[in-house]
Amino acid sequence: SQTIHQWPATLVQPVGSPLSLECTVEGTSNPNLYWYRQAAGRGLQLLFYSVGIGQISSEVPQNLSASRPQDRQFILSSKKLLLSDSGFYLCACTPSGGGRWSTEAFFGQGTRLTVV
Amino acid sequence: AQKITQTQPGMFVQEKEAVTLDCTYDTSDPSYGLFWYKQPSSGEMIFLIYQGSYDQQNATEGRYSLNFQKARKSANLVISASQLGDSAMYFCAMREGTTSGTYKYIFGTGTRLKVLA
Repeated sequence: SQTIHQWPATLVQPVGSPLSLECTVEGTSNPNLYWYRQAAGRGLQLLFYSVGIGQISSEVPQNLSASRPQDRQFILSSKKLLLSDSGFYLCACTPSGGGRWSTEAFFGQGTRLTVV
Repeated sequence: AQKITQTQPGMFVQEKEAVTLDCTYDTSDPSYGLFWYKQPSSGEMIFLIYQGSYDQQNATEGRYSLNFQKARKSANLVISASQLGDSAMYFCAMREGTTSGTYKYIFGTGTRLKVLA
């Protein structure tokens, strides 16, 4: 079965500093990968998704970018963090091609980012 | 427009009672999937139950059932015999196709459930 590793678990960064959050997946090849952000007390907002190496789709314009340098690696980055980037960031995956309609998205443990 | 709407920011329920968490969705696709997730205070996302757009019967998984009313575009989660451990945030989500041929999952804003002893 698949396992998603996210690190770090918590992060406190000053405004204007760069950001790099990493997500790696085990137990499946060529997965679909997703980055979500959850602001305090809010729902999950889809930020980016990827169907393969180098293929990134952005859902909302923002201060963040994503990259997929390897099949099972998904990175969320920022050159200069804003206070509004604070939140809980979750990486998720589904099997290659998305699986069946009943296939749920499988989530990592998340990274709690506080920008100060 | 919101694709997934959860109108109850917070709910209270007495232990051992049943509770219904509301979810309405908006899509013009004939094929879609609806999911419910539980998020405890630890932050992990736990998949609870799935309902397909073509499923004739309401989905059930143990104490969880989904009241699917397709014409109303609603997919309410029913938790029977609530337990203290059910206290958490609950998210409704819809899986939909993308122009690039894959799928994405759109989530609602969630409902925070508190079970009272």
